[in-house]
Amino acid sequence: EVQLVESGGGLVQPGRSLRLSCAASGFTFDDYAMHWVRQVPGKGLEWVSGISWNGGSIAYADSVKGRFTISRDNARNSLYLQMNSLRPEDTALYYCARHPGGVWGQGTLVTVSS
Amino acid sequence: DIQMTQSPSYLSASVGDRVTITCQASQDISNYLNWYQQKPGKAPKLLIYDVSNLETGVPSRFSGSGSGTDFTFTISSLQPEDIATYYCQQYDNLPRFTFGPGTKVDIK
Repeated sequence: EVQLVESGGGLVQPGRSLRLSCAASGFTFDDYAMHWVRQVPGKGLEWVSGISWNGGSIAYADSVKGRFTISRDNARNSLYLQMNSLRPEDTALYYCARHPGGVWGQGTLVTVSS
Repeated sequence: DIQMTQSPSYLSASVGDRVTITCQASQDISNYLNWYQQKPGKAPKLLIYDVSNLETGVPSRFSGSGSGTDFTFTISSLQPEDIATYYCQQYDNLPRFTFGPGTKVDIK
């Protein structure tokens, strides 16, 4: 079964860091680019960051550029999002998704609050 | 960056009605356009890929069309289980996505 499972979310104070992980299974992970997408409850989908199959091409939304770092470990079939200098407006459900979009995880909730 | 607009933002229709949502890209995205359905508490579900291709298992009442910058998503006969928010998404410039703002569909 093709599956993505996110982990690492939680409650964190403003200015602190958090690292999200996404474990892939059921497909050849290094055949695909991968993305992080977030959604504030009740709001729309916001693309956060994407990475090519080998990590050679990376992009970020302007809202997270310079604070978030995407990476992948193809040997471990895993995608990561290192989130630094977190702000209250980063509070959202974070999904990982396989390019071009047919496979999504169930999301991990990040809450940034003092 | 490519921007996506979507209209309407909300629509209410009767069971059996034909429903149409439009999506416009700020520049030519060829056929790199997906449509998703999202129900509350669930991850988005891909319905249509590459403008007009129906994902496996998706009912044939869903369809998509268009090219370049202008795209249309249609539900030919609205069903109660179609209550959801629908998003268009472009993926022309890997590794970026852009989503439309969404259309909430309700039953009248």
